[in-house]
Amino acid sequence: SQKIEQNSEALNIQEGKTATLTCNYTNYSPAYLQWYRQDPGRGPVFLLLIRENEKEKRKERLKVTFDTTLKQSLFHITASQPADSATYLCALPPYGNNRLAFGKGNQVVVIP
Amino acid sequence: KAGVTQTPRYLIKTRGQQVTLSCSPISGHRSVSWYQQTPGQGLQFLFEYFSETQRNKGNFPGRFSGRQFSNSRSEMNVSTLELGDSALYLCASSLEGGQPQHFGDGTRLSIL
Repeated sequence: SQKIEQNSEALNIQEGKTATLTCNYTNYSPAYLQWYRQDPGRGPVFLLLIRENEKEKRKERLKVTFDTTLKQSLFHITASQPADSATYLCALPPYGNNRLAFGKGNQVVVIP
Repeated sequence: KAGVTQTPRYLIKTRGQQVTLSCSPISGHRSVSWYQQTPGQGLQFLFEYFSETQRNKGNFPGRFSGRQFSNSRSEMNVSTLELGDSALYLCASSLEGGQPQHFGDGTRLSIL
């Protein structure tokens, strides 16, 4: 069966360090993968999209990698700040471009 | 540009009732998707509408239905409510399905 797996345990990290989150998927061959941020009581907010022919994508302090052989994406937040505390979701298109399947998300807590 | 607007933000219903939720997408966006979010299952895709036509449907019972109007506004309806329908219902819009989704802040539905 198809699965998108993110670590269910919250990641507690000291301010200034790099947070690294993992998204693993099975039985998918996505053309791209997206990352979203969700704060409590709010809808997800799009952060980054990386295509299958891209190894790495950066946006400010965020970096995403995509390894289609390992079927894995890594999401990095460098120089983390308390304001980065949130749940981060990965998403990919299971059946083409018209819908997205989401992982359950990984909570990040940045400790001042 | 105004974001995605969902109404109402909170709703309390009892078992057996029906409910209609509303979503106004970002101006110019023709694709509207609906998701159900629960702590146990995460974000689950309900359906996607594009130019008033349902293009994709998730694995939910027929009690869940939706529609899209000519101005791209969308509604979803849930009939014969069950306790397990308690969830955050999120609407997302995009220019084309699958592209980065712009989410509203959802409708929190509680079934008593």
